Amino acid sequence: GDSVTQMEGPVTLSEEAFLTINCTYTATGYPSLFWYVQYPGEGLQLLLKATKADDKGSNKGFEATYRKETTSFHLEKGSVQVSDSAVYFCAPGAGSYQLTFGKGTKLSVIP
Amino acid sequence: DGGITQSPKYLFRKEGQNVTLSCEQNLNHDAMYWYRQDPGQGLRLIYYSQIVNDFQKGDIAEGYSVSREKKESFPLTVTSAQKNPTAFYLCASSINWGGFNEQYFGPGTRLTVT
Repeated sequence: GDSVTQMEGPVTLSEEAFLTINCTYTATGYPSLFWYVQYPGEGLQLLLKATKADDKGSNKGFEATYRKETTSFHLEKGSVQVSDSAVYFCAPGAGSYQLTFGKGTKLSVIP
Repeated sequence: DGGITQSPKYLFRKEGQNVTLSCEQNLNHDAMYWYRQDPGQGLRLIYYSQIVNDFQKGDIAEGYSVSREKKESFPLTVTSAQKNPTAFYLCASSINWGGFNEQYFGPGTRLTVT
């Protein structure tokens, strides 16, 4: 099956700082790649996705690029807000397998 | 609005009792999933169902049981055999089985067993 390694948290940033959360994966075949976000006390929501090499997923100011050569899908945002405080999960998924979720990275943004 | 509902949001039980968590979706999805979330451990797959009347064990199925008699419903029973049942339980669905497909999540049920 697939596996994923995410940057360990927690990550604490000041408002308007630049965010990077690293994610690398191992997978058989050619997986799709997802970032999910979980706000306190809630379920997960899809944040963005990419389905082939060099694709860039983007949503709400967040971006991640599918890097096949480095098997990475790092999440970035240029200027974080307090409302971005949440737990972020990276998840590769290939055809015959369910999604494999990373352990999650908790982000706290302080005013 | 289409989505996944889980009820209740909070559930309290005494040790030794079985408890059933509800999961309903109106997205017309074939596949459904149950995950367990513990602090610092991410999500672990308990059971999944690729299609109605079929389900398979995930990574941590011991002490749990499921049924899939209707396409829109996938209840999870936490039995007294589950050694550490206190956790946050998440139900999800996807249009089809397979990792290429986005999963949609419910709001979760927090189970506390004392």
